Amino acid sequence: AQTVTQSQPEMSVQEAETVTLSCTYDTSENNYYLFWYKQPPSRQMILVIRQEAYKQQNATENRFSVNFQKAAKSFSLKISDSQLGDTAMYFCALPLGSSNTGKLIFGQGTTLQVKP
Amino acid sequence: GAGVSQSPRYKVAKRGQDVALRCDPISGHVSLFWYQQALGQGPEFLTYFQNEAQLDKSGLPSDRFFAERPEGSVSTLKIQRTQQEDSAVYLCASSYAGGSYEQYFGPGTRLTVT
Repeated sequence: AQTVTQSQPEMSVQEAETVTLSCTYDTSENNYYLFWYKQPPSRQMILVIRQEAYKQQNATENRFSVNFQKAAKSFSLKISDSQLGDTAMYFCALPLGSSNTGKLIFGQGTTLQVKP
Repeated sequence: GAGVSQSPRYKVAKRGQDVALRCDPISGHVSLFWYQQALGQGPEFLTYFQNEAQLDKSGLPSDRFFAERPEGSVSTLKIQRTQQEDSAVYLCASSYAGGSYEQYFGPGTRLTVT
């Protein structure tokens, strides 16, 4: 069965510092994608970053980067130069079953508080 | 263009009532997903459409849940004879296609069953 585990229910970081959110997963698929989504308080969920499993290079989007370790089935999100607007719940997600449909399984989420 | 919209944003239903939740996806998006999100938890997959075809409804928790997308655009999630355990936020997402394409989420409908 496919699973996604986020073991940090809550984290906090000072503005301008760096924080890493952890995610581990299990899948029997060989080619798949992994996603980090952000859900700000009372706002819509948006995609933060996406990683293709067959690519060795870690994905980067501005201040957001991932540390993807396929063998260890680990997919952590690093946020550099944290900003107050980064305060949100962050979800790691994996396609459920074949990657073709796009339906996702989400982790339990990590609530990140950025402090001024 | 406009994002994914959902209505109503909030719904309070008495136990046993039927409810209908609407989703307007981004125009041209082929794939549409419904998820259920309990408070403080990650969304859980309910069902998936490709155009008007419901290709997967394996996540629907019971036969009281029914979803449709008759013309391949707007979708409705209907819950019959609501129960307290149905209380959750129902999220709709659409994407250009399935697979690796980004899913764009609506604001959700918060359903409270009293």
